[in-house]
Amino acid sequence: EAGVAQSPRYKIIEKRQSVAFWCNPISGHATLYWYQQILGQGPKLLIQFQNNGVVDDSQLPKDRFSAERLKGVDSTLKIQPAKLEDSAVYLCASSLDPVAARLFGSGTRLTVV
Amino acid sequence: AQSVTQLDSQVPVFEEAPVELRCNYSSSVSVYLFWYVQYPNQGLQLLLKYLSGSTLVKGINGFEAEFNKSQTSFHLRKPSVHISDTAEYFCAALPLQGAQKLVFGQGTRLTINP
Repeated sequence: EAGVAQSPRYKIIEKRQSVAFWCNPISGHATLYWYQQILGQGPKLLIQFQNNGVVDDSQLPKDRFSAERLKGVDSTLKIQPAKLEDSAVYLCASSLDPVAARLFGSGTRLTVV
Repeated sequence: AQSVTQLDSQVPVFEEAPVELRCNYSSSVSVYLFWYVQYPNQGLQLLLKYLSGSTLVKGINGFEAEFNKSQTSFHLRKPSVHISDTAEYFCAALPLQGAQKLVFGQGTRLTINP
């Protein structure tokens, strides 16, 4: 079965610019997650969707980050404007339901200069 | 609140030697437990999971882990490692009540030396 697809793999932008990441989850997975992984740390949950509704966005910096999951399948995560501290790997994951194992994509490495 | 502690940030091991990566969790409710592996410039790959039943869980690539409820531990083991096992390993706990948010440890970097 196809895994979680993410694009782009790498992105370099200047601070105050905007950037968007795309994720296509495993077919049939109702739950989708975006994680931020800073170098040397474990992933931190930014937002969790159940179908196209937000379940948890308590750690999403809403003044600059936004995410949507239209039609309950693909999802995009946007940062506007970016800060230097946003440099990280952004991981998308999906699962059949909230208590099933999360399966991850390859991630997008963002560098803000 | 739940937390996961990986007791070693780095573990160097010689090729073909056994290895154990330690993980302890803290939770007031029942949890599912997971080990993930992250190779350089890759996402996280699920190694194994404990949901219920037998406390010894076998995963991919020859890894296994043992759930110990009394010691709240879920240590990862492999009897003989290969150079290709060099990676970052993450332990994670998923509480079965409340927010059901997957909590990760800080990771253990496993380095295999020839």
